[in-house]
Amino acid sequence: DGGITQSPKYLFRKEGQNVTLSCEQNLNHDAMYWYRQDPGQGLRLIYYSQIVNDFQKGDIAEGYSVSREKKESFPLTVTSAQKNPTAFYLCASSIVLGGELFFGEGSRLTVL
Amino acid sequence: QKEVEQNSGPLSVPEGAIASLNCTYSDRGSQSFFWYRQYSGKSPELIMFIYSNGDKEDGRFTAQLNKASQYVSLLIRDSQPSDSATYLCAAPRGNQGGKLIFGQGTELSVKP
Repeated sequence: DGGITQSPKYLFRKEGQNVTLSCEQNLNHDAMYWYRQDPGQGLRLIYYSQIVNDFQKGDIAEGYSVSREKKESFPLTVTSAQKNPTAFYLCASSIVLGGELFFGEGSRLTVL
Repeated sequence: QKEVEQNSGPLSVPEGAIASLNCTYSDRGSQSFFWYRQYSGKSPELIMFIYSNGDKEDGRFTAQLNKASQYVSLLIRDSQPSDSATYLCAAPRGNQGGKLIFGQGTELSVKP
């Protein structure tokens, strides 16, 4: 079945540590995204990528980094520079930028 | 002014009633609009998209778009307890490559 796989689903991190969230899709979509959701809030865009080896900052990119070495993969690294990293992270993809988004199941990061 | 704005709710309706969810947007360049449903702790799933002025119906759901007023709504007829969720409105940021920008979501509670 086609879809988006995020891992891990739950992650605990100590302050000062970097963590990497995995996102893999087999939908053959060109565009991929990372959103962050805080309790009771909508989704805020962190980074997005339209093609391999290219990505752009979203509205809240500070403290995050991404790579797009393969069409299927778009990992997100939450660095120690991110001041308040505890959140629900959602990876998504679409056929083209601005089209219908398909979401992974999300990764919940808690900083201890 | 927020780019995409929704009443956060919660909106409470009795079972069988019509639930009306509203969304306004600021970017007149936006051409298409999406409604996502998100159950607690889960990722969003697409319910409807609309890009033409007027109404679009799909089962118990009707999306309404008024571009002149920059207003989009979602009506849920014969509301069921299983419709209880947060509903997210999204629109592409029209002048910056079409990335989807989300409202903060409206929490809907359908009481049996």
